Amino acid sequence: AQSVTQPDIHITVSEGASLELRCNYSYGATPYLFWYVQSPGQGLQLLLKYFSGDTLVQGIKGFEAEFKRSQSSFNLRKPSVHWSDAAEYFCAVGDRAGGYNKLIFGAGTRLAVHP
Amino acid sequence: SAVISQKPSRDICQRGTSLTIQCQVDSQVTMMFWYRQQPGQSLTLIATANQGSEATYESGFVIDKFPISRPNLTFSTLTVSNMSPEDSSIYLCSVVAREYLTYEQYFGPGTRLTVT
Repeated sequence: AQSVTQPDIHITVSEGASLELRCNYSYGATPYLFWYVQSPGQGLQLLLKYFSGDTLVQGIKGFEAEFKRSQSSFNLRKPSVHWSDAAEYFCAVGDRAGGYNKLIFGAGTRLAVHP
Repeated sequence: SAVISQKPSRDICQRGTSLTIQCQVDSQVTMMFWYRQQPGQSLTLIATANQGSEATYESGFVIDKFPISRPNLTFSTLTVSNMSPEDSSIYLCSVVAREYLTYEQYFGPGTRLTVT
């Protein structure tokens, strides 16, 4: 069955430090992969997505993610974290089974940023 | 892109009652989805609502508990019936907007439900 694993429940980084959030997926075909961010009291905002082509994907707010098929991973990175990046981050895989596209979400990683 | 609004934004309800959540989209979309996010948890798909057909429910969710309407291409409702404290969650409406060779799923701001 399709699934998404985010191994880190909580991550704390200092402002200005680099960030990597891990995501592993299990999917039988070429996956559609997404990263969303949810700030406190806010809805979900799409950071970036991967469908095909270049495995390094650039997103909004300075985020990027790299699709590695051999490792079934789609890790999210940012070279320098800002205090406003503190939020919950969700990795998701698009499930095309059944003729429609639904998202299967990971458990999320809560990011805290220290000044 | 798609802009989604939900009503109400939050509510506190007594157990045994029902609440209907409305989802309005600013453009016509074929597929709409309803998700639940329990406290401190990730999002779980409840059902897919396509206009002109019955909603398709995921495992663990049934129509009697979560009836859905989809009267047109811009609107849907989700009812949480006979509520219990376990139904306290954020309920999110979502739509798929197709772009050339890709698609994006947009989410509404959510309805925060507390059942006492």
